[in-house]
Amino acid sequence: AQSVTQLGSHVSVSEGALVLLRCNYSSSVPPYLFWYVQYPNQGLQLLLKYTSAATLVKGINGFEAEFKKSETSFHLTKPSAHMSDAAEYYCAVSDELTGGGNKLTFGTGTQLKVEL
Amino acid sequence: GAVVSQHPSRVICKSGTSVKIECRSLDFQATTMFWYRQFPKKSLMLMATSNEGSKATYEQGVEKDKFLINHASLTLSTLTVTSAHPEDSSFYICSAKGQAYLETQYFGPGTRLLVL
Repeated sequence: AQSVTQLGSHVSVSEGALVLLRCNYSSSVPPYLFWYVQYPNQGLQLLLKYTSAATLVKGINGFEAEFKKSETSFHLTKPSAHMSDAAEYYCAVSDELTGGGNKLTFGTGTQLKVEL
Repeated sequence: GAVVSQHPSRVICKSGTSVKIECRSLDFQATTMFWYRQFPKKSLMLMATSNEGSKATYEQGVEKDKFLINHASLTLSTLTVTSAHPEDSSFYICSAKGQAYLETQYFGPGTRLLVL
């Protein structure tokens, strides 16, 4: 079974400050890892994904994440927060071996607030 | 690329009526589509997985006779909420997976259902 833990349901940063959203996963097989962003009353937009290639993954809007197998982590970072980054962020895991069509297991989400 | 649409974006209906929600992959063929339900300030809950031309696979606890899923073509899946009740009010989101990036789900913008 797979699981995802997102530490911190709410994170608040100042505009221009570093953004760090934490994600730890559990998987018995090599995982695929994803970060999605959701703005109010909208669907999910893919920010970036790790699929066993480079461990440092760059995504859209200046976000990046590093896969650390030893720490079972896939934390999301952005060097300088912008007001438009305020949203809900979800970490998710799947794997290439599931017969269920790569079902995603989501974390509980982290609400990012950006303050002036 | 990889755009998924949903229609309608929001719907209000009376208790006891049925509501159909469409999910379309606009620029790719979706081998698999997923239907999620999201409660306010909560993460996504997978309801079912559907593959084109075959019966949907429902998650445990999801009533398949209440939530009818049809995946008639490689670009269209529908979710019909039958005999809707106020407790069915929720945000329903679909996602689709194509042949180009088998591990990645692309999400629609969601449908807000309110049952009076």
